[in-house]
Amino acid sequence: SYELTQPPSVSVSPGQTVSITCSGDKLGDRFASWYQQKSGQSPVLVISQDTKRPSGIPERFSGSNSGNTATLTISGTQAMDEADYYCQAWDRLTAVFGGGTKLTVL
Amino acid sequence: QVQLQESGPGLVKPSQTLSLTCTVSGGSINNGDYYWSWVRQPPGKGLEWIGCIYYTGSTFYNPSLKSRISISSDTSKNQISLRLTSVTAADTAVYYCARVYAVTSPEGLDMWGQGTMVTVSS
Repeated sequence: SYELTQPPSVSVSPGQTVSITCSGDKLGDRFASWYQQKSGQSPVLVISQDTKRPSGIPERFSGSNSGNTATLTISGTQAMDEADYYCQAWDRLTAVFGGGTKLTVL
Repeated sequence: QVQLQESGPGLVKPSQTLSLTCTVSGGSINNGDYYWSWVRQPPGKGLEWIGCIYYTGSTFYNPSLKSRISISSDTSKNQISLRLTSVTAADTAVYYCARVYAVTSPEGLDMWGQGTMVTVSS
């Protein structure tokens, strides 16, 4: 079965740029989505189809996907961005999630 | 504004069947632009996709759960349902209903319910 791998944790200082990676076999041949989940809340889609930001998602969130790695980048990180982030891709009409990355804003 | 609301028992005994309902308001589930899915999250752990259903009635399941799950829809009530049989403590989780945007092919899960906690315990 298809698998996506994320680093368990990443930290960043306020105002800095942080990247969260998601690795999978030939992931660049598929579309990747990213979700933000704050403590006690439901996930929120922040990036779809590798680079698309849904309405209401701040411009500081961006995505890319090439080769075996998809990347979520947050520019000018704010304290409110502290959350768990999950990547997701489709494998023959079944969705696969990465294990999640805890982003800490120090 | 579309809203999704999960409902069902919060406690299920081991070996029994877990049944949940997702009521969709503000939009019809009989819409070819979307799939309707279930996702779960065990306490302190990550997201696990369970499966989804299309307006045609076609279903797609997580291979690891396929033998135990069934997803159905009731267009007259605008509801999606999940049945998970032979539950164990490992099925204890928050269960989410989510909408999948899919004009040409499945994209992101763009709308989520608030989730419902289900505990499997005797």
